[in-house]
Amino acid sequence: DTGVSQNPRHKITKRGQNVTFRCDPISEHNRLYWYRQTLGQGPEFLTYFQNEAQLEKSRLLSDRFSAERPKGSFSTLEIQRTEQGDSAMYLCASSLLGGGTDTQYFGPGTRLTVL
Amino acid sequence: GESVGLHLPTLSVQEGDNSIINCAYSNSASDYFIWYKQESGKGPQFIIDIRSNMDKRQGQRVTVLLNKTVKHLSLQIAATQPGDSAVYFCAETTMNRDDKIIFGKGTRLHILP
Repeated sequence: DTGVSQNPRHKITKRGQNVTFRCDPISEHNRLYWYRQTLGQGPEFLTYFQNEAQLEKSRLLSDRFSAERPKGSFSTLEIQRTEQGDSAMYLCASSLLGGGTDTQYFGPGTRLTVL
Repeated sequence: GESVGLHLPTLSVQEGDNSIINCAYSNSASDYFIWYKQESGKGPQFIIDIRSNMDKRQGQRVTVLLNKTVKHLSLQIAATQPGDSAVYFCAETTMNRDDKIIFGKGTRLHILP
């Protein structure tokens, strides 16, 4: 257990529905990242926050995706009008900027299945 | 585009032997490299890291070697155990910039009894 938690662990939804995932980072970590991982591939960067500011978004993050970190602690990732291609593992990671390394610690992920 | 790749998708090793997993990276600007282990159904787990000003770093049963000349990274696992069975990813990033990690495709380590 890295100290990063994600909920839910699994989500099955029908195409067109909206889903929201939550990530709770390690408490003192000021950076929070979202990645997506499909079967047999490495995780791909989606977006990241430094405190409550969203500093970068990948081209993978279409307009249907939105992420927030309102108080600089937990974060949510929402996918609107889900498509079958959104089926993947969504991973959250956190790190401490200024902590000496950039080590990112990952949560267990939320596995999304879109039917 | 820039990417981190691995030479072998699957590596089978006899229990007790040493394992060597290789990785090639392409971004010359990357200055921080990490090896992650991912077991089935779990998120990537940090194993060991190395900065670009080093060429070798040792941990408990693991060693990472960095050859910047040929942009090559390797992970050595000593006395491989059944619990080492997992997919191993090398990853690269640039410290104190955007810090987004670029992962390779992974190598599955299979331990033979």
